[in-house]
Amino acid sequence: QSVLTQPPSVSGAPGQRVTISCSGSRSNIGATYDVHWYQQIPGTAPKLLIYANNNRPSGIPDRFSGSKSGTSASLAITGLQAEDEAIYYCQSYDISLSGLVVFGGGTKLTVL
Amino acid sequence: QVQLQESGPRLVEPSETLSLTCAVSGSSITTRFYWGWVRQPPGKGLEWIASIYHDGSAYHNPSLKSRVTISIDTSKNQFSLRLASVTATDSAVFYCARIGWNYEALDSWGQGALVTVSS
Repeated sequence: QSVLTQPPSVSGAPGQRVTISCSGSRSNIGATYDVHWYQQIPGTAPKLLIYANNNRPSGIPDRFSGSKSGTSASLAITGLQAEDEAIYYCQSYDISLSGLVVFGGGTKLTVL
Repeated sequence: QVQLQESGPRLVEPSETLSLTCAVSGSSITTRFYWGWVRQPPGKGLEWIASIYHDGSAYHNPSLKSRVTISIDTSKNQFSLRLASVTATDSAVFYCARIGWNYEALDSWGQGALVTVSS
């Protein structure tokens, strides 16, 4: 069981908007730790997609955005493209684990 | 641009110790980052193992702490992982990563090393 909870799967048609939720608790997301998001295409290493809740590293399209509120966070993808099909992970830290790294279980995005 | 590369045996026998090294290039390992290990069993999600700073201070996943040793060699710009008493359930892709020092993101990852535990 992951410390952060994500839906196992989401799907959308090309051009549509999808969101992926990441639910935590007062000991992690709710403890003011930032949330970070990673994209993993099967067979490759995870890639940082969103850092510190809503910031994109250089080279990440603005179709990807993040938000955080209370004990939850969300990743939104607009203008869905076939190349977005991947597994998405949220990540934060947990104060009950001495501020250690925690991941969500991952969400498989299928582009229909 | 920082690059990380895992190396080490890809096949380990049960009850033995898994050893991996991550070579860092393009950045000094003594900069203001932590350096860590993450594993991913086949078909499963990501699990953080441990992180270390260049001063040697380290943090471990409590579920693995008793079996994990993480170390850093600033002279070689690399850090290492040892996981003792492995079983088949420890088979996974092991990634090394750079982690922002202030509870920040894992912003750079190695390509991963698939390690299989089998006799």
